[in-house]
Amino acid sequence: QSVLTQPPSVSGAPGQRVTISCTGSSSNIGAGYDVHWYQQLPGTAPKLLIYGNNNRPSGVPDRFSGSKSGTSASLAITGLQAEDEADYYCQSYDSSLSGPRFGGGTKLTVL
Amino acid sequence: EVQLVQSGAEVKKPGESLKISCKGSGYSFTSYWIGWVRQMPGKGLEWMGIIYPADSDTTYSPSFQGQVTISADKSISTAYLQWSSLKASDTAMYYCARRSMVEDFDYWGQGTLVTVSS
Repeated sequence: QSVLTQPPSVSGAPGQRVTISCTGSSSNIGAGYDVHWYQQLPGTAPKLLIYGNNNRPSGVPDRFSGSKSGTSASLAITGLQAEDEADYYCQSYDSSLSGPRFGGGTKLTVL
Repeated sequence: EVQLVQSGAEVKKPGESLKISCKGSGYSFTSYWIGWVRQMPGKGLEWMGIIYPADSDTTYSPSFQGQVTISADKSISTAYLQWSSLKASDTAMYYCARRSMVEDFDYWGQGTLVTVSS
């Protein structure tokens, strides 16, 4: 099935490291298309966090990093802070859609 | 500064029509695709479709083909999303977003909340 699967939720204590996975298929990540990540703080529009698998837009702290391997990608957040509590979405082009596909989203809770 | 400014919240009845807008500024509006993304209450992001304002070339997600119409007026740097007959299930937040050259969405509008209720 042509979906991007993310865990519904992850959590961590301040200062810890957490990772969020994004598992795709041969029509998206596995086909070599780039993965992008977005952060959506409560009540706000999504914000680009990582583009092109592992690149940070200007202004995004280096605590955020991305990686991609095979049909999966991951977002890592180190030195967790309370302000990181948000929903995170992966996105990749999907040839079955002829357009972008978003993952289901992961809610990060900072304990 | 790149900005996408969307029109305000709407409350409509089932069967009514609606057109919401997204005005770009701070960049060459005709050089980037503009996408529309739906977020239903408490749910994730869904890509609806995308338009290239320079020539109005448009691609729809299969899930939204025939359900909405995406258009653009390059003379006023504005993209539109419209419905001819709203349903209660169209209740959602709708975002426009600029697609960059590497196909991420690098700038987003603030969102337009559409509520459809009798």
